[in-house]
Amino acid sequence: EVQLVESGGGLVQPGGSLRLSCAVSGFNFRSYWMTWVRQAPGKGLEWVANIKQDGSVKRYVDSVKGRFTISRDNAKNSLYLHMTGLRVEDTAVYYCARGETTGYYWGQGTLVTVSS
Amino acid sequence: QSVLTQPPSASGTPGQRVTISCSGSSSNIGSNTANWYQQLPGTAPKLLIYINNQRPSGVPDRFSGSKSGTSASLAISGLQSEDEADYYCAAWDDSLNGVVFGGGTKLTVL
Repeated sequence: EVQLVESGGGLVQPGGSLRLSCAVSGFNFRSYWMTWVRQAPGKGLEWVANIKQDGSVKRYVDSVKGRFTISRDNAKNSLYLHMTGLRVEDTAVYYCARGETTGYYWGQGTLVTVSS
Repeated sequence: QSVLTQPPSASGTPGQRVTISCSGSSSNIGSNTANWYQQLPGTAPKLLIYINNQRPSGVPDRFSGSKSGTSASLAISGLQSEDEADYYCAAWDDSLNGVVFGGGTKLTVL
């Protein structure tokens, strides 16, 4: 069974940092691009970043460039999102998903709240 | 304002056929494939249609997708109460170098 389990969310002050993790099982993690998508409360979906199988290519939405870093550890079947300089508008549920442009499988999400 | 344009709401009665549109441009749907996601209340999104008209295993054939030019459509036939959800279209955008989503369509089964 394919499982993607996000963790690391929580309450953080503006300007703070947080690292999200996504633990994967049930498929060959190192064979797939991986993606982060977020959803602000009551809003739609927004693509955040994706990363190639070997980590050599990383792409970001403009609003997080220079602040967020996507990475992966294929030996640990894990995907990460290191977020710095957090803003109130980064408040959202963050989902990890398998695929480069198609989220074939999704995790249940982890909530990040940026507030003072 | 989303790059892809969807109607904010749609509705139908049980058994009816409903269509949800997704309008894009030459840099996204016009040159790449479209995907559709279903998000039931309080849950994570689920892939419904990929590569314009392909259904992942387990998705009923009541759901179908199509693409023409810079627009895509999702059709749901034999509407059921459990289809009440938010539906999102998405595609890669060559100009933005990222995935773009529609704003979502809330489907109500009357």
